[in-house]
Amino acid sequence: AQTVTQSQPEMSVQEAETVTLSCTYDTSESDYYLFWYKQPPSRQMILVIRQEAYKQQNATENRFSVNFQKAAKSFSLKISDSQLGDAAMYFCAYRGGSQGNLIFGKGTKLSVKP
Amino acid sequence: DTAVSQTPKYLVTQMGNDKSIKCEQNLGHDTMYWYKQDSKKFLKIMFSYNNKELIINETVPNRFSPKSPDKAHLNLHINSLELGDSAVYFCASSQRGGGDTQYFGPGTRLTVL
Repeated sequence: AQTVTQSQPEMSVQEAETVTLSCTYDTSESDYYLFWYKQPPSRQMILVIRQEAYKQQNATENRFSVNFQKAAKSFSLKISDSQLGDAAMYFCAYRGGSQGNLIFGKGTKLSVKP
Repeated sequence: DTAVSQTPKYLVTQMGNDKSIKCEQNLGHDTMYWYKQDSKKFLKIMFSYNNKELIINETVPNRFSPKSPDKAHLNLHINSLELGDSAVYFCASSQRGGGDTQYFGPGTRLTVL
């Protein structure tokens, strides 16, 4: 069975600095997708970034980028120029190519200090 | 325009009661899901429907029964509520069951007293 591990329960970053959130996963599939979701205190689940496993190029979305290491099964999220509004729970998620549901990590709570 | 909506957003009820949570999506997606987020924030799939057909049914007590009247709606009915059912329940939808992005509703916080 696939698993997703986020080893950092909590992280803190100074405003305008850069922070990296870690995520590793375990799978025997070759076709899959990886996601980072953000959950602010409002509890809405917001997609941050998406990566297809067959693509070698790392996905980027404005200040958010990933470091996807397929062989190492690692999928870290880098947030540049951190803003107060980035404070939230961040969830790493896996989705197999043949299966629809997301498998989530336990989340990392990110605090941003002014 | 809300893409995925859930009602109610908050639900407080007594043990033993029966309650329903409704979900609607206006994205034209084929697949809908129910996830449960527990008190430690862990999210886990409960059910998935594709074009009104149940395709994923995780190990969930049979007190939980999903119903999909059409592909835009997926409701969750819970019988004989227990204290341990207290959680946030999220509905989500996607275009296909594969790699398409899932869009989540705002969640329903269920509190069982």
